[in-house]
Amino acid sequence: KAGVTQTPRYLIKTRGQQVTLSCSPISGHRSVSWYQQTPGQGLQFLFEYFSETQRNKGNFPGRFSGRQFSNSRSEMNVSTLELGDSALYLCASSLPGQYNEQFFGPGTRLTVL
Amino acid sequence: KQEVTQIPAALSVPEGENLVLNCSFTDSAIYNLQWFRQDPGKGLTSLLLIQSSQREQTSGRLNASLDKSSGRSTLYIAASQPGDSATYLCAVLLYGQNFVFGPGTRLSVLP
Repeated sequence: KAGVTQTPRYLIKTRGQQVTLSCSPISGHRSVSWYQQTPGQGLQFLFEYFSETQRNKGNFPGRFSGRQFSNSRSEMNVSTLELGDSALYLCASSLPGQYNEQFFGPGTRLTVL
Repeated sequence: KQEVTQIPAALSVPEGENLVLNCSFTDSAIYNLQWFRQDPGKGLTSLLLIQSSQREQTSGRLNASLDKSSGRSTLYIAASQPGDSATYLCAVLLYGQNFVFGPGTRLSVLP
């Protein structure tokens, strides 16, 4: 069974640009969560999608948004990039009824110059 | 607000030693607790998940325990190997909410 995949793996952008990251969950998993990881703040929750609906949202500005498609694939978008958005962005998928055990993808390394 | 801490922040041990990593959380009304390892620049690998009704889980050389009343979990690694070198994170899930992660313990196992 294929794991969680994320594209692209690496991304370099400049301040003010916008970026879209993609996450494909494990087959059958309907919940996708997004996290930002930085050396200073650790792993912070961005949002969770389940069956195309945002179920939970973390404490991030409105520049961070996401969506989920009917095939459970998810995208997150960051508009008007700032230097502080440089981070490893991780997505995780889980299967309903399995105690929300989370399985993570390899991440997308975003560098904002 | 759930807060998760991990002690120690870093640990260096010789190969073959048994070791214990600690995770503490402030809200004991948890749904589950999950332990992960992360290699540098990589994603997280799930090691063990403990449901709120369980006291411990075992997988190979790993054993994780959960004491909800005291807000603690420990990850025990037996007979450590250099390949165990990584950052270990615990994450706590409250009912109807999202996972909250600890800052991690960076483990180095020296050959």
